[in-house]
Amino acid sequence: QVQLQESGPGLVKPSQTLSLTCSVTGGSTSNGGYHWSWIRQYPGKGLEWMGSIDHRRSTYYNPSLKSRVTISVHTSENQFSLKLSSVTAADTAVYYCARGIVHYDSSGNDVGGYFDDWGQGTLVTVSS
Amino acid sequence: EIVLTQSPGTLSLSPGERATLSCRASQTVSSKYIAWYQQKSGQAPRLLIYGASSRATGIPDRFSGSGSGTDFTLTISRLEPEDFAVYYCQQYGSSRGTFGQGTKVEIK
Repeated sequence: QVQLQESGPGLVKPSQTLSLTCSVTGGSTSNGGYHWSWIRQYPGKGLEWMGSIDHRRSTYYNPSLKSRVTISVHTSENQFSLKLSSVTAADTAVYYCARGIVHYDSSGNDVGGYFDDWGQGTLVTVSS
Repeated sequence: EIVLTQSPGTLSLSPGERATLSCRASQTVSSKYIAWYQQKSGQAPRLLIYGASSRATGIPDRFSGSGSGTDFTLTISRLEPEDFAVYYCQQYGSSRGTFGQGTKVEIK
């Protein structure tokens, strides 16, 4: 079982860029077969997948966020990161990093997967 | 995009009772690409079921998943005190990772 830990500022001003890092232990971001992912949860509400990256640095983003989200992997530090630009109060949420298990369709296309390990989550508040 | 609708919103049951949670998809979910998660207050979600019916490592056999096409079910055969939580379904394979809105299982 891999362990994941989010880190970053808990308070971000409107219009700025939210930046979070996920440190991975017990597993390697260099290994194939996984999606290193960010998922957020609005206060008291449901879950929203934001995006994922694999070991080849291929990225997959939620279309609703695509223009604002960047996910990167830093294999030498065994970390991956999230940047969300132009934040507003609506981006206030608990942000989770998670490991996804990759699935492939009959044509060999990566079609996403489920999330078997999660970080504990970090609350990010957008406020001036 | 596939939308997942979970029902009921809240399920009020007593320990020892059977819980049946529903997850309905707006389109057919290919290859049974459905997962279920449990989330307790202040904690991250925990994977229970993947592939619609396969239990994740360490998950008790009182948890079972079933279904295909657009209708999926999570069943908890006999509720233990630690099972009272919020449960989410998730589909993968289309739009990558959409979640249902959750079902809260509360103590009656």
